[in-house]
Amino acid sequence: EAQVTQNPRYLITVTGKKLTVTCSQNMNHEYMSWYRQDPGLGLRQIYYSMNVEVTDKGDVPEGYKVSRKEKRNFPLILESPSPNQTSLYFCASSRLRATNEKLFFGSGTQLSVL
Amino acid sequence: AQTVTQSQPEMSVQEAETVTLSCTYDTSESDYYLFWYKQPPSRQMILVIRQEAYKQQNATENRFSVNFQKAAKSFSLKISDSQLGDAAMYFCAYRSATETSGSRLTFGEGTQLTVNP
Repeated sequence: EAQVTQNPRYLITVTGKKLTVTCSQNMNHEYMSWYRQDPGLGLRQIYYSMNVEVTDKGDVPEGYKVSRKEKRNFPLILESPSPNQTSLYFCASSRLRATNEKLFFGSGTQLSVL
Repeated sequence: AQTVTQSQPEMSVQEAETVTLSCTYDTSESDYYLFWYKQPPSRQMILVIRQEAYKQQNATENRFSVNFQKAAKSFSLKISDSQLGDAAMYFCAYRSATETSGSRLTFGEGTQLTVNP
């Protein structure tokens, strides 16, 4: 089954404790990205990657890091989380040259930073 | 930069009736794609309908249809014969057709739809 797998689904942590949210897709997609969803703001892009070792900033990259060492994986790293990073996070993927195709989304990670 | 605006934070509809969700966008591009996504309480992002800007015909998927007004930069979603399962957050989204922007989606703020029995 074609899917984007995110883990964990829920995460509670404390300020400053490094964490990683994993994302993996099994569709051989070139494009992967991370979004955060906040009430009244919709979803905003954090980082994206067009291929292995190629990443770039989205609209709200501050406080986040990503890496793309393998085509299927695109982890999101918060090296020193702060309460304003409490949010719902989505990983998504698609073929790069198929802009009219849908973006495949993971099931989301609800992060709370205390 | 493109922006997407959903001016209705909340909407409600009676079961079996019709509701229209509004979306406007701003872009200087002529070729792009527009989408409506549904997010039920499970948080899953579900594609409802998509529209190519170069097509004049409005997209339709069963009970869901859009009213695409390119000159007015408006893209509303009409849900006919509303069902309890339609209750969800709905997001309007824009994607450029140029390759350099990859597959990035710009989302609106969302509209929470309640369906009353």
